[in-house]
Amino acid sequence: GAGVSQSPSNKVTEKGKDVELRCDPISGHTALYWYRQSLGQGLEFLIYFQGNSAPDKSGLPSDRFSAERTGGSVSTLTIQRTQQEDSAVYLCASSLQGAGSPLHFGNGTRLTVT
Amino acid sequence: GDSVTQMEGPVTLSEEAFLTINCTYTATGYPSLFWYVQYPGEGLQLLLKATKADDKGSNKGFEATYRKETTSFHLEKGSVQVSDSAVYFCALSGLTGGGNKLTFGTGTQLKVEL
Repeated sequence: GAGVSQSPSNKVTEKGKDVELRCDPISGHTALYWYRQSLGQGLEFLIYFQGNSAPDKSGLPSDRFSAERTGGSVSTLTIQRTQQEDSAVYLCASSLQGAGSPLHFGNGTRLTVT
Repeated sequence: GDSVTQMEGPVTLSEEAFLTINCTYTATGYPSLFWYVQYPGEGLQLLLKATKADDKGSNKGFEATYRKETTSFHLEKGSVQVSDSAVYFCALSGLTGGGNKLTFGTGTQLKVEL
């Protein structure tokens, strides 16, 4: 069946530009996560959506980062005025009910800021 | 805050060798513990989990026991195969974020050779 889909798979952008990363979760999954993986680092939590509840934004590293989830399905992570330290793989995951059920990850978007 | 520490890789083993990947954690209360695996070219997927002390999670010949006294969740397999070559991530979900935010380790790459 269809898994978590992320687009684009690769994105190269110039410093200072804005980027949007997209995530299509598995149909019916109420929970959606964004993580960031930098070279040699673990997965860094960014934001968590659960149903219609207010998202947990506690992992967003600065106010240049924002995310939304429309209609409880597709999510977009936006990074404004990108910096070189934003270069990383951005991973999206969805699950039926949060961390108590398995997270299904997409293959990620590799962002390179030049 | 919550944290997970894993042994650094890469770990290189011959086929049929015994595998141990160490994982220790720091968390408030009694978190749930997980091992996720990322095979080459694929997204992360849940390998096994344990939700309370002394529980043993198992899947595909892999096992890990939740040890509260040593705050550990070491991954073991008695006889590895070439197809087990992947990156393994230890993770926990603690009280932070209502139990729905997964905190990951940095990952351990396993290479199994013939």
